[in-house]
Formats: sequence, structure tokens, C-alpha cells
Amino acid sequence: RKEVEQDPGPFNVPEGATVAFNCTYSNSASQSFFWYRQDCRKEPKLLMSVYSSGNEDGRFTAQLNRASQYISLLIRDSKLSDSATYLCVVNPFPSGTYKYIFGTGTRLKVLA
Amino acid sequence: GAGVSQSPRYKVAKRGQDVALRCDPISGHVSLFWYQQALGQGPEFLTYFQNEAQLDKSGLPSDRFFAERPEGSVSTLKIQRTQQEDSAVYLCASSPGAGGYNEQFFGPGTRLTVL
Repeated sequence: RKEVEQDPGPFNVPEGATVAFNCTYSNSASQSFFWYRQDCRKEPKLLMSVYSSGNEDGRFTAQLNRASQYISLLIRDSKLSDSATYLCVVNPFPSGTYKYIFGTGTRLKVLA
Repeated sequence: GAGVSQSPRYKVAKRGQDVALRCDPISGHVSLFWYQQALGQGPEFLTYFQNEAQLDKSGLPSDRFFAERPEGSVSTLKIQRTQQEDSAVYLCASSPGAGGYNEQFFGPGTRLTVL
């Protein structure tokens, strides 16, 4: 089993739709979680950190489920500009490494 | 302010050549990471520096890969005797604090093609 797994997609959704991605992780001791966004041929940029209590930033909501070892990202009212690859990132600290583990990413395409 | 910069942006090397990739992190950032990103994949961790100390090099794929950050700022990733499987985008990221709880700021990457 991969340490961090994501459905690669692509998810093709119409503008205005709500879309959700999940990401599972294998190390139950993992301490920090993030969603990054990566546009084609660009560098990843932080979208949001994922806290135990969940967090929301405008149209974006992130949740953590430690019991089932997954994190989720919900995007409401999708915009064309949301089209990108969404990378799930897990840091298994304090396992003794500083190794951030990225998923393969989920491609989202928002259609007009 | 200036973000993370990397040079060169593109590098074409013949198999067997040595290459050196440079990363200028955001000034004052303690942590520096190197990643390798193959086409269609997420970034894969290579190594981590906290100031000048290389605390984790568990992701370096072979002893042909070497990284340094001698003064705790600029870092260089060196690949000796390049192979075709080394072709990828090499991303550098920096972070203001130490450890695993901080946002990482990525540079634009160096796209390495080994012929």
C-alpha cells in the first residue's frame, strides 16, 4: 500500500458544481496534513492546512478523519480557475524523518 | 518579497555528465527541501536541511546524488554520471521554521532532461 493515495482523476465537473476529493494515508502516527495546488508546469502552492477540527476557507473545506486515516477536500461553487491538480501531503513526523509525502495528485477540470 | 528561485530552469545533459542545480531559498528560512517530480506524479522527497545541517537524506535515490547547503542559505543538488531515469523536474522548497508543521514555499523547479 502506498503511504499516501489519491484518485488521479481527472474529475471533470461543470462550473458551479461541488466536488470532493479524498486522500488516504497509511501511517497512523502522521501529524500534519496539507492540500497543495499545482497548475500545469508550475510549482505546488499551499491551498490549506488540515487540522483535526477541520477548516474552511471560502469555498474550500478540508477535513481530517484520523480513525479512517483519510483527509478530504471539498470545493463548492467550482470556478474555471479551480482547474488544477490537487496534491495531498502528509508529514509522518515525529517518526524521526522530515519527509513530506505527496500523493500523486488529483486532476480537476472545471468545464464552462 | 522574493520567493524561492532555482537555476537553471532547464538543463539538458548527455548521459554520464555531471549536473549541478542551484536553489536560493527565501531569506531567513531555516528549512530547505529538495524534491524530484516525474511526469504525472507528485513530488518525491529527496533530502532536508535545517540551516546547514542535512538532517534527512533518506530520499536520495543513489550515491550519485549529493546535496549541500554550506552556509545555511543557498543549496546545490549535484547529480553525478546522469542517467536517463534522472530526467525529471527538481523542486526546491523552503520553510521558515524547523520540523513538519510549516508551509513550504516552492521554487519554479529545474527541468532536467538526460539524453
